[in-house]
Amino acid sequence: AQSVSQHNHHVILSEAASLELGCNYSYGGTVNLFWYVQYPGQHLQLLLKYFSGDPLVKGIKGFEAEFIKSKFSFNLRKPSVQWSDTAEYFCAVKNDYKLSFGAGTTVTVRA
Amino acid sequence: NAGVMQNPRHLVRRRGQEARLRCSPMKGHSHVYWYRQLPEEGLKFMVYLQKENIIDESGMPKERFSAEFPKEGPSILRIQQVVRGDSAAYFCASSQTRDREGSPLHFGNGTRLTVT
Repeated sequence: AQSVSQHNHHVILSEAASLELGCNYSYGGTVNLFWYVQYPGQHLQLLLKYFSGDPLVKGIKGFEAEFIKSKFSFNLRKPSVQWSDTAEYFCAVKNDYKLSFGAGTTVTVRA
Repeated sequence: NAGVMQNPRHLVRRRGQEARLRCSPMKGHSHVYWYRQLPEEGLKFMVYLQKENIIDESGMPKERFSAEFPKEGPSILRIQQVVRGDSAAYFCASSQTRDREGSPLHFGNGTRLTVT
């Protein structure tokens, strides 16, 4: 069974700071990896996904993630955050139809 | 094109009552997935349904929980005799086909169940 581990529970940073959220997974087969974001009071939205090809994936709103197979990692990055990036971020790995999520990282961006 | 609709958004039940959570998938979607998010934890898969069929209920507690997706109408997640430990956010997602690798799921806003 796969599992997903997110390194940080809560991250607080100032606008224009760089953001990196760690995600490690344990699964031996072919992985499909996702980052979802949940803004306050809203539904989960897909930020980006990886299933093959270029390990550096670009998503919406200036986010990107890098798949490093040897490290079983899929870290999320954004060079310069905005106040509107305040949200909860979830890493997930998919096997067939089933998603396994990390516990989530709450990101608070101070203006 | 409306997204996945869940209602109610918030539901408060006393211990021992029943909770009914509804999910209307996106138009044209016949596959529904329920996930539960307990406090301080990530979302956990509960059940996968197609119209009138339960495909995988491996994540559902064996007792008190049931799910259905009838031919007509929304999918229902039913929790009988709720206990405080059932307090959580319950999310529904849908897809047009069996959701295989590479396809993201479309999630609803969730129902936050509080058991008092």
